[in-house]
Amino acid sequence: EPEVTQTPSHQVTQMGQEVILRCVPISNHLYFYWYRQILGQKVEFLVSFYNNEISEKSEIFDDQFSVERPDGSNFTLKIRSTKLEDSAMYFCASSVSTGGNYEQFFGPGTRLTVL
Amino acid sequence: AQKITQTQPGMFVQEKEAVTLDCTYDTSDPSYGLFWYKQPSSGEMIFLIYQGSYDQQNATEGRYSLNFQKARKSANLVISASQLGDSAMYFCAMREENSGNTPLVFGKGTRLSVIA
Repeated sequence: EPEVTQTPSHQVTQMGQEVILRCVPISNHLYFYWYRQILGQKVEFLVSFYNNEISEKSEIFDDQFSVERPDGSNFTLKIRSTKLEDSAMYFCASSVSTGGNYEQFFGPGTRLTVL
Repeated sequence: AQKITQTQPGMFVQEKEAVTLDCTYDTSDPSYGLFWYKQPSSGEMIFLIYQGSYDQQNATEGRYSLNFQKARKSANLVISASQLGDSAMYFCAMREENSGNTPLVFGKGTRLSVIA
């Protein structure tokens, strides 16, 4: 069964460093998302992406964040200068379409720890 | 703005019993979808069930059913015949469906513990 994959599974970085989180969505999916979950809290939306551009972004997704689909398969989230409060689980998700019962398939997540 | 409320931070259920996890929502969009996801201790998000706002019947998927009461804006998840493997966090989520590529909005979750 096709699945969303994410690398790395765990990333430890120093405050102020840049990190890139990588995702490979399901191959025929067109809509891509990043969510994050701070430990013990709810899942929060960061950004959605379609047709090589951002569709929607939340207040969390400030100038320190960027997304890119550098080739036909990868979807990346970059944090330019990490802060302690960026420590969280980051989930990539994809869906074949929007609306209706087109579920968003989630990847296993990348746990980011900022020291 | 959309909002999801899960009022039960934690629930316990005896193995083989049924359990209901509560979810209420708020939206001004007449077209929306409601979802439940399971998050085991390993951290991944597993889709369980979907209910569309215009669906006439409650959704069912195996041991999962969604008790959809539109007038009350509630979308409770019912798990029948609980198993030890059902112990996990459960998140209710909603997506408005009239405006394109809208994201999921999640509740704070309910931690379910199944007791042998």
